Amino acid sequence: QVQLQESGPGLVKPSQTLSLTCTVSGGPISGVGYYWSWIRQPPGKGLEWIGYIYKSGSTYYNPSLKSRISTSLDTSKNQFSLQLSSVTDADTAVYYCARDLGGWLSFDNWGQGILVTVSS
Amino acid sequence: QSVLTQPPSVSAAPGQKVTISCSGSNSNIRNNYVSWYQQSPGTAPKLLIYENNRRPSDIPDRFSGSKSGTSATLAITGLQTGDEADYYCATWHSTLSTGGVFGGGTKLTVL
Repeated sequence: QVQLQESGPGLVKPSQTLSLTCTVSGGPISGVGYYWSWIRQPPGKGLEWIGYIYKSGSTYYNPSLKSRISTSLDTSKNQFSLQLSSVTDADTAVYYCARDLGGWLSFDNWGQGILVTVSS
Repeated sequence: QSVLTQPPSVSAAPGQKVTISCSGSNSNIRNNYVSWYQQSPGTAPKLLIYENNRRPSDIPDRFSGSKSGTSATLAITGLQTGDEADYYCATWHSTLSTGGVFGGGTKLTVL
């Protein structure tokens, strides 16, 4: 069974860059057909798709966040990462990493989530 | 505000059937697969339905999904108190600004 675990700072100052890493165990992130994804959920609100990265390095991002997002894969560590620049209060959320089957927003495995608060 | 519209809340008694709708458009639901998620408080969402009507092996057949035109529906039969949760639909939105989208979510109360 694949397991995912987010890690990173729980507090980020406004205008700085949020950086999170997702460590995958139980299977390689280089597997065919899996899209390694980020989703977030502001407190008390719904889910928002952030984007994904495929094993080839190709990416697809939420258009509303695209200008501030960067993602990467480290197959040697079986990890993938998210960077979100120029954060504001609106970026305060629980951030989840997840595995997407085939890139159709079919997230069959999720991390437990990490709360990131943007505050000075 | 999401491009996928779900009712904010639904309710039904234990043992009954409930349906949750997800209304979209030609730019999303009509031409793309729909997935459904269940989220209990303080936990990560759980995949219930993918590719419109397929269930992961660990999801009971009380949960079913369907799609017609620009709308999708999640049906839950034999309601249990443990089904009380938030439910989200998700699909691709294909326009000049293409990307994944979730519905606003529906709170299911089991009376």
